[in-house]
Amino acid sequence: KQEVTQIPAALSVPEGENLVLNCSFTDSAIYNLQWFRQDPGKGLTSLLLIQSSQREQTSGRLNASLDKSSGRSTLYIAASQPGDSATYLCARVPTDSWGKLQFGAGTQVVVTP
Amino acid sequence: NAGVMQNPRHLVRRRGQEARLRCSPMKGHSHVYWYRQLPEEGLKFMVYLQKENIIDESGMPKERFSAEFPKEGPSILRIQQVVRGDSAAYFCASSPPAHTYEQYFGPGTRLTVT
Repeated sequence: KQEVTQIPAALSVPEGENLVLNCSFTDSAIYNLQWFRQDPGKGLTSLLLIQSSQREQTSGRLNASLDKSSGRSTLYIAASQPGDSATYLCARVPTDSWGKLQFGAGTQVVVTP
Repeated sequence: NAGVMQNPRHLVRRRGQEARLRCSPMKGHSHVYWYRQLPEEGLKFMVYLQKENIIDESGMPKERFSAEFPKEGPSILRIQQVVRGDSAAYFCASSPPAHTYEQYFGPGTRLTVT
C-alpha cells in the first residue's frame, strides 16, 4: 500500500523556471510533514517542516503548503537554478507513530543551464 | 554544531559476517532513528530509539537485526550473518527532545555484501 505518493517521478526544467512538486498521502492523520532533498550518494537535507496546525512554511526561494483535508502538500521552488538539481522527498509523520517518517519515492529534478 | 555522524561511510562484508553501523546524533538530540534505502526503492523506517530504550522497532526485520542506543556512546545498528539482500544505504537521523520531531539525517553508511 503506497501511503505517500509523489508526482511527477522526474522533472526537467530550464534554469529560471519555477518548480512545483506534489506530495499526496492517503491518511490525513498526520503530526507533521517534512520535505527533504537528497543528492546522489549523499544523505538527506531537511528543507522545510510543516506542523499539522500550519498551512505553509517558507524559506528563501522555497515554499511548502499543506492541505490536510485533501491529503496534499506542494513544494514550490522559485527561479530554479542548476544547483537545485536533486531528488526531493516528502515524508509524513503519522499521529500514532511520531518517530516514523513515511517517505514518498521522490521526484528527481534536473535544472538545465 | 556538528551534524549527525555516521561511520563507516562504506562497509563491505562477505555473506555470513556481521556488520556494525554507528551513529552519533547531533549535540542535544536524544532521539535516534534508523532508515534503510534499498537499491531502486524508497527510504523505509526501521527503528526509533531514545537513550537506553527502543521506542518503535516495527520496521526492523525479525531476525539478524538489532539496534541499541546506550547511555554513553553512539547508537549501533547490528546486522548478523549478512546476506546479499542486506546491501543498501543505511541512514541515521536524530531529533531534539521537542514536540516538532524534526529529523536531521546523517550521510549514511553504504553496506555492500559480497
